[in-house]
Amino acid sequence: AQKVTQAQTEISVVEKEDVTLDCVYETRDTTYYLFWYKQPPSGELVFLIRRNSFDEQNEISGRYSWNFQKSTSSFNFTITASQVVDSAVYFCAPPQGGSEKLVFGKGTKLTVNP
Amino acid sequence: DGGITQSPKYLFRKEGQNVTLSCEQNLNHDAMYWYRQDPGQGLRLIYYSQIVNDFQKGDIAEGYSVSREKKESFPLTVTSAQKNPTAFYLCASMGSGSYTGELFFGEGSRLTVL
Repeated sequence: AQKVTQAQTEISVVEKEDVTLDCVYETRDTTYYLFWYKQPPSGELVFLIRRNSFDEQNEISGRYSWNFQKSTSSFNFTITASQVVDSAVYFCAPPQGGSEKLVFGKGTKLTVNP
Repeated sequence: DGGITQSPKYLFRKEGQNVTLSCEQNLNHDAMYWYRQDPGQGLRLIYYSQIVNDFQKGDIAEGYSVSREKKESFPLTVTSAQKNPTAFYLCASMGSGSYTGELFFGEGSRLTVL
């Protein structure tokens, strides 16, 4: 099965601080896609980003950026100048490369305090 | 609009009773998943189905059952054999053969055993 490990259970920051959420994954596939999801207090998971294993360039979308390093099997997520609305649980999804069983990690709960 | 509908949103059950959670999607997706979420436990995979009339156990299938008689429907039954059924249940789907596609999640069903 594809698996991910998010070592940070909870992170608390003050608004405007930068914060990085770590993700390490396991996969036997040589080609795969990686995803991040956000779960706000309402409960429904929302898709944030998809990256393929061929592209190791960092990606930036507004205040969000992602650093993918295939050599270390990591796909970290940084929020710049955090805001209270960023408070949520963030999930790094298991790599998708044709395998059926998608085993999520425990997620990281981010609290941004005003 | 296309998406996943879970019902009911909140459900109360007495011990010893079976209960069925509904999950319907109109995205024409082949793959569907059921996850359970407990505080601090992240998402744990219960069952998944890649195609109609076929499904596989996830990591915590004991005490649960599913069926996949129609492409758009993947109901989950929480049986009386499930020792600790109080949890938040999330259903998800993914496009066929499209492991590049993201998971689409429903809004979840919160089950409480009294």
